[in-house]
Amino acid sequence: ETGVTQTPRHLVMGMTNKKSLKCEQHLGHNAMYWYKQSAKKPLELMFVYSLEERVENNSVPSRFSPECPNSSHLFLHLHTLQPEDSALYLCASSQGATGGILGYTFGSGTRLTVV
Amino acid sequence: KQEVTQIPAALSVPEGENLVLNCSFTDSAIYNLQWFRQDPGKGLTSLLLIQSSQREQTSGRLNASLDKSSGRSTLYIAASQPGDSATYLCAVHYGNNRLAFGKGNQVVVIP
Repeated sequence: ETGVTQTPRHLVMGMTNKKSLKCEQHLGHNAMYWYKQSAKKPLELMFVYSLEERVENNSVPSRFSPECPNSSHLFLHLHTLQPEDSALYLCASSQGATGGILGYTFGSGTRLTVV
Repeated sequence: KQEVTQIPAALSVPEGENLVLNCSFTDSAIYNLQWFRQDPGKGLTSLLLIQSSQREQTSGRLNASLDKSSGRSTLYIAASQPGDSATYLCAVHYGNNRLAFGKGNQVVVIP
């Protein structure tokens, strides 16, 4: 596989469930990101990991918990979500803090619906 | 804080016409600017990346220009096709691991 792979593609969960989103990049990049995309809003940065260290936590509620076990994998653990958390969650990767010569590469996203 | 605006929000053009999509940003201190395409419910596909020292980038029918001093970028798509129908997103890299997005230009190319 090449690029950035996200699983699952679709997820429906109740407000009391616990689930995880997975992201894997095959590009040798050293930075990974979680973004949230809601209808009619610009993409919102949630978390940034650079060299496996979390360098950004953009005032995200604690019901979202990221994990980066190595430079190729990124997880977003979800628990006790709210209906307003329903959105498309996108993972991205880049080489270096300024995107390098190729910029950011995004995955296909996970469409999350909280019921 | 960097703000990115894309105009128009939505447009429809007949097949064969050229498309002009505009992006403006408030802080000219940027590292680079990246244009993406997004199909409904899908992820983002990178189209072009312009470094801050460059004026334009070209790939096939696509050409993107950058005027950093005035805070503007324009994406030109020549001879549009129905397959160009999508949302086009402009993103500005303005700091360490910081990428600011516009809301997008939603394009429909009518056969």
